[in-house]
Amino acid sequence: AQKVTQAQTEISVVEKEDVTLDCVYETRDTTYYLFWYKQPPSGELVFLIRRNSFDEQNEISGRYSWNFQKSTSSFNFTITASQVVDSAVYFCALSGKGAQKLVFGQGTRLTINP
Amino acid sequence: EAGVTQFPSHSVIEKGQTVTLRCDPISGHDNLYWYRRVMGKEIKFLLHFVKESKQDESGMPNNRFLAERTGGTYSTLKVQPAELEDSGVYFCASSRDRAPGANVLTFGAGSRLTVL
Repeated sequence: AQKVTQAQTEISVVEKEDVTLDCVYETRDTTYYLFWYKQPPSGELVFLIRRNSFDEQNEISGRYSWNFQKSTSSFNFTITASQVVDSAVYFCALSGKGAQKLVFGQGTRLTINP
Repeated sequence: EAGVTQFPSHSVIEKGQTVTLRCDPISGHDNLYWYRRVMGKEIKFLLHFVKESKQDESGMPNNRFLAERTGGTYSTLKVQPAELEDSGVYFCASSRDRAPGANVLTFGAGSRLTVL
């Protein structure tokens, strides 16, 4: 069975601090895909990144970076120099090859205080 | 292009009543999905359509839930009769590609259902 764990239910930091959101996954598939989605106050889930299991290179996009480590089954997300607009609920998700459904973690509510 | 649209944004009903949620996917997206988030827990898969056909409905909780996608365009999810545990946010998502596992889904803002 597949499982995604986001142990941090809520995180609150002051603007400009760096913050890391943890994601640990379980799967028996050798080919799988990992995702991060952001849910701002407007409600929709916004796609941030997709990573396949054969690509362990870290990814950086502006202030966002992702650290994928198969050895620890983790796919952590770091926001550098956080801003108030980063406040949202962030979901990590997993899907296996051949599967059309995502398995989500419980989400981490991130609050950036001015 | 327009995003995934869901109606209503919020519905409050009494236990035993019926509610129908609607989802309009992005035009041209053959894949349509329903997910649900209950009480701040994880978002869970309900079912997947490819055009008008149900590809996977393994996540549907019971026979009080009925999903349809007539003509392969918009979809409806009916809950009849509604129970208290059905309260939550129902998300619809769509995608164009048919690459299992790798699909990037575009989600709507969700329909919040409150059953009293």
